[in-house]
Amino acid sequence: GAGVSQSPSNKVTEKGKDVELRCDPISGHTALYWYRQSLGQGLEFLIYFQGNSAPDKSGLPSDRFSAERTGGSVSTLTIQRTQQEDSAVYLCASSPATWGNTIYFGEGSWLTVV
Amino acid sequence: AQSVTQPDIHITVSEGASLELRCNYSYGATPYLFWYVQSPGQGLQLLLKYFSGDTLVQGIKGFEAEFKRSQSSFNLRKPSVHWSDAAEYFCAASSGNTPLVFGKGTRLSVIA
Repeated sequence: GAGVSQSPSNKVTEKGKDVELRCDPISGHTALYWYRQSLGQGLEFLIYFQGNSAPDKSGLPSDRFSAERTGGSVSTLTIQRTQQEDSAVYLCASSPATWGNTIYFGEGSWLTVV
Repeated sequence: AQSVTQPDIHITVSEGASLELRCNYSYGATPYLFWYVQSPGQGLQLLLKYFSGDTLVQGIKGFEAEFKRSQSSFNLRKPSVHWSDAAEYFCAASSGNTPLVFGKGTRLSVIA
């Protein structure tokens, strides 16, 4: 597609359940990023994939969070045993190469944990 | 630690008035600098970026930003604000091999 595509756009889940958020980056972009945006906060870096390199997981807030990227394209962010503090907008972005390049964001997946 | 600060949480301007949104960064060397805009319910859209060279950069929608090394600043400006400019604005920085770090954002309201 023309832009970064994320699904679902909205997700309401019960506390303790697992959720999966999907990101389809711009075709040809080798770098993929996940950020979290909480109410009143800026964007918090979560994880970064670049080509076949090991991902930079330094921003993941706990071991309940994980992400994978299959075939160098689509990525899935998984949150296990969701907590209310996980409620946020999860933004995916992609870029042609590394951090020095402009990154393009999707519209986000709004997660609400009740 | 690397950081980006946007001192103003919320700014209100009248339509047609000029606008300046402040951004300061704390990095060991001059980072790459960006301004993004987020309209309600939308993703982030890149307004402009600074990598090197001319310190005054032009962006989309009539925005510009000026990089000032001496002040570690990268303020966003627009000569005449339109009602459609009401949105959240984020300044961001990266050293080139580190995650893009965002400020907490400035919410712009535009009044008639």
